[in-house]
Amino acid sequence: DAGVTQSPTHLIKTRGQQVTLRCSPKSGHDTVSWYQQALGQGPQFIFQYYEEEERQRGNFPDRFSGHQFPNYSSELNVNALLLGDSALYLCASSKGLGNNYGYTFGSGTRLTVV
Amino acid sequence: AQSVSQHNHHVILSEAASLELGCNYSYGGTVNLFWYVQYPGQHLQLLLKYFSGDPLVKGIKGFEAEFIKSKFSFNLRKPSVQWSDTAEYFCAVSTYNFNKFYFGSGTKLNVKP
Repeated sequence: DAGVTQSPTHLIKTRGQQVTLRCSPKSGHDTVSWYQQALGQGPQFIFQYYEEEERQRGNFPDRFSGHQFPNYSSELNVNALLLGDSALYLCASSKGLGNNYGYTFGSGTRLTVV
Repeated sequence: AQSVSQHNHHVILSEAASLELGCNYSYGGTVNLFWYVQYPGQHLQLLLKYFSGDPLVKGIKGFEAEFIKSKFSFNLRKPSVQWSDTAEYFCAVSTYNFNKFYFGSGTKLNVKP
């Protein structure tokens, strides 16, 4: 059990559609980060949320947006899906900003865009 | 921009063989270094990490890694691999404030029984 829960585990969407992925952090964690892991590549940082605000962002277009709720859970939204958005999307949680205490990854959501 | 290079994309070993996976990073400032493992169908798990101090760090399951600052390297080693070590291994770097990780492209290790 990773402690970080992501849903759904698998998803198939059509090009041009929008998708929402969800993440519940490990108990006691308040910071959520999202990563995209394309096939054959390492995870790439999308953005990080803390205190319901986006604190850091990687090199991803504005089609990628997110939200963090008061209970620390988070959503990743992708608009106007492209075939190249097909990937495993990983959520990671940690406690506080600026430290790596207990940084924990979820098992991911496998998104396939057709 | 920071980058992490893993030179071996796919490694095949027999049980009891020794393992060394290479990792080099490019970043001029203070970094924190990690190795993660991803077993088939499972989430990323931390093997070991280096923040400061002794450059030789020991992790779980008999793995160790050595930080060589002059070479910008953080190679992973294990003296004797087991079939259960079959997995994908990722090297990762975070900057001093830990806000995000930069991952290498991963090395798939296949250990033959």
